[in-house]
Amino acid sequence: DAGVTQSPTHLIKTRGQQVTLRCSPKSGHDTVSWYQQALGQGPQFIFQYYEEEERQRGNFPDRFSGHQFPNYSSELNVNALLLGDSALYLCASSLVAVGYTFGSGTRLTVV
Amino acid sequence: KQEVTQIPAALSVPEGENLVLNCSFTDSAIYNLQWFRQDPGKGLTSLLLIQSSQREQTSGRLNASLDKSSGRSTLYIAASQPGDSATYLCAVGDSGAGSYQLTFGKGTKLSVIP
Repeated sequence: DAGVTQSPTHLIKTRGQQVTLRCSPKSGHDTVSWYQQALGQGPQFIFQYYEEEERQRGNFPDRFSGHQFPNYSSELNVNALLLGDSALYLCASSLVAVGYTFGSGTRLTVV
Repeated sequence: KQEVTQIPAALSVPEGENLVLNCSFTDSAIYNLQWFRQDPGKGLTSLLLIQSSQREQTSGRLNASLDKSSGRSTLYIAASQPGDSATYLCAVGDSGAGSYQLTFGKGTKLSVIP
């Protein structure tokens, strides 16, 4: 049973560019959440998608947007990249009874 | 706003020792609590999930307890091994809008010395 898969694993972008990260949830999970983890910090909640709608959002600017598709997969888009957006981006899928399952993450470097 | 604190930030122990990692949170109205392991540069691996109605969960050499009233959880690792070296993250599940989100601590970096 495949867990949460994320692509790409690593990415280098230039300041001001736009980036799209992708996530496929664990089989049977219908809720997808995105987290940003800066070096040496715990993950910070960006937003959560359920039934193709953004259900909750953390304290992140509108430059961060997302989408969930009918097959429950999801994308995270970041516009006008800043150096401070460099981080590990984690996708997680969840079911209430069994908790969160995280992917291996996408390491984004903005230069 | 929920805040999660993990103490200590780093811990180094000799192989074979039993150890305890601590997690505290400010808002006791939690949905659940989940402990994760993170190896350098990698994603998170779930270790234990404790629902708000439970007091503890066990998996192999790991035991996690939850005391909602005091806002505390502990992760007990028995007979530590070098392969246990990693960062351990505590995450509190907070309810909202029909589901819940996780608030993380900064983690405890564990080094087990052979």
